[in-house]
Amino acid sequence: TQLLEQSPQFLSIQEGENLTVYCNSSSVFSSLQWYRQEPGEGPVLLVTVVTGGEVKKLKRLTFQFGDARKDSSLHITAAQPGDTGLYLCAGDRLIGKLIFGQGTELSVKP
Amino acid sequence: SQTIHQWPATLVQPVGSPLSLECTVEGTSNPNLYWYRQAAGRGLQLLFYSVGIGQISSEVPQNLSASRPQDRQFILSSKKLLLSDSGFYLCAWTPGGKREKLFFGSGTQLSVL
Repeated sequence: TQLLEQSPQFLSIQEGENLTVYCNSSSVFSSLQWYRQEPGEGPVLLVTVVTGGEVKKLKRLTFQFGDARKDSSLHITAAQPGDTGLYLCAGDRLIGKLIFGQGTELSVKP
Repeated sequence: SQTIHQWPATLVQPVGSPLSLECTVEGTSNPNLYWYRQAAGRGLQLLFYSVGIGQISSEVPQNLSASRPQDRQFILSSKKLLLSDSGFYLCAWTPGGKREKLFFGSGTQLSVL
């Protein structure tokens, strides 16, 4: 059973476009993390959201945690080729045991 | 500063051969350690985690095993590899007893032929 559903699975856009990636679940999480992974490397944490309704911004990236702490979104403004990569959401239900989504492969073409 | 080392980076093994992947963490003590598998660049599946020496929890039944002979050493093994064991294996750690972000190693790409 996949507890975290990410959509879309693949996204190919032109430089300068905006995009949103969604992470949804029927389960409540105490926190939710977003990671970015490049080919052949391990994922690197971008942000952790903890409070329902929380919004965090990281330059052109905006992360939101749903009010019920069951879903989250990642919005990228004016995407650049350097944003290309695999974006993973991960929910924390037990200490240290993160549940990962299936990932969204983003390709930003110049 | 803390660092995590994972090796080898790439491994090609025949079906039925044994496996040993090693992961070590430096600069911290009593970390929680994890082995994840990632298929074709998709989501991560937790295979094993450990909260201390000799303490291993398995998340999914499989052909693999894990051991933690030292505080900062985590080993993933198999006696006989299957084709389905192919994938990208990631070691990770978190500070012991704390709910913080995972720090990942650079991964091992395993191809079983």
